[in-house]
Amino acid sequence: DVKVTQSSRYLVKRTGEKVFLECVQDMDHENMFWYRQDPGLGLRLIYFSYDVKMKEKGDIPEGYSVSREKKERFSLILESASTNQTSMYLCASSAAGTERYEQYFGPGTRLTVT
Amino acid sequence: DAKTTQPNSMESNEEEPVHLPCNHSTISGTDYIHWYRQLPSQGPEYVIHGLTSNVNNRMASLAIAEDRKSSTLILHRATLRDAAVYYCILFDRGSTLGRLYFGRGTQLTVWP
Repeated sequence: DVKVTQSSRYLVKRTGEKVFLECVQDMDHENMFWYRQDPGLGLRLIYFSYDVKMKEKGDIPEGYSVSREKKERFSLILESASTNQTSMYLCASSAAGTERYEQYFGPGTRLTVT
Repeated sequence: DAKTTQPNSMESNEEEPVHLPCNHSTISGTDYIHWYRQLPSQGPEYVIHGLTSNVNNRMASLAIAEDRKSSTLILHRATLRDAAVYYCILFDRGSTLGRLYFGRGTQLTVWP
């Protein structure tokens, strides 16, 4: 069974802290994605990666950075957390060039910044 | 990004068919129509996709209009477990890297 796991389901951090959100997939997928989901705004893409050490900005990259040192792991970094980054963060992965281009999602991390 | 329009919410009774509409009047020839759904407290999951012809799988059916400007996701017999937000997404395989653009989706409520 395919699996995308995220390091925490719930996280509470203080303003100004550095925050790491980890995502691991066990499907040998090339592509990995970080979204945030807020009420009324749907899912918005923050960053994505199509290969190790490669990254592309999504629609809302400001205030975030990412790291992909290994194929199975994609980290989202909040350099200095702010209250407007309180959100649900979802990681996904997909295989390149498949028929369905299906994205597999993790369960999400609900981050609260106080 | 290509746009889709869906109703904000729909309701159904258990064991009745559900037809979830999606308008995509600006669809291009290379856009595939993908549907995902998001159950409460979970990440989205793939449901079905199609290009021109109607499609069936174990979860649902997808009916695509002849001019491709609209489509309908059909759940043949709704169950309580089908209560979710359903997203209709246009996916251009010519675009880079498999990006999906999620709108706000349709919140489906299923009544027992």
